[in-house]
Amino acid sequence: ETGVTQSPTHLIKTRGQQVTLRCSSQSGHNTVSWYQQALGQGPQFIFQYYREEENGRGNFPPRFSGLQFPNYSSELNVNALELDDSALYLCASSFWAGDGTDTQYFGPGTRLTVL
Amino acid sequence: AQSVAQPEDQVNVAEGNPLTVKCTYSVSGNPYLFWYVQYPNRGLQFLLKYITGDNLVKGSYGFEAEFNKSQTSFHLKKPSALVSDSALYFCAVRDSSASLGTYKYIFGTGTRLKVLA
Repeated sequence: ETGVTQSPTHLIKTRGQQVTLRCSSQSGHNTVSWYQQALGQGPQFIFQYYREEENGRGNFPPRFSGLQFPNYSSELNVNALELDDSALYLCASSFWAGDGTDTQYFGPGTRLTVL
Repeated sequence: AQSVAQPEDQVNVAEGNPLTVKCTYSVSGNPYLFWYVQYPNRGLQFLLKYITGDNLVKGSYGFEAEFNKSQTSFHLKKPSALVSDSALYFCAVRDSSASLGTYKYIFGTGTRLKVLA
């Protein structure tokens, strides 16, 4: 069984640039969630994708967007980067059974630094 | 709104001693609770979850958690700590948007566990 993988591991960007982060779901999973973890904080929910559509969103501006592909892999795109976007970005996959009892399994994360 | 609190930023325990990492929750409806561990420069690893049933939940690496509805707590425990257990531990509660069927997790701020040799 392949776990959740993310790429790249680290990324350095400058303010105003755009970035794309990638995630491959664990085998058999159909739902992907993205979280932002700032230094010293717990992860904060960005959004979730199910069946290639956004299925819920946290308190993040529209410049945070995503995609889910037919193979259930996913991308997180961030436009007009700000210094406060510097964080560890975590992808989590699960098999959505409809009753909320599924467990989210996390990837190793992408460390984004905005200068 | 759903929330969890981890009242201790850091817990120190001697190797071989029992450990407890505390978590309290606030939810409307039935609580779905989770514990994750994070090692340096790594993502979160799932330890255990409480959905329903027995109040004592057993998980990975010898960890267990006790669900206490009257005290709204879900403390993580291990009978005998190892130095390799030193890491950052997060408690989480499932929040749900019934209209969208979105099941996001709300995390606590984390507790750093240090096991001393």
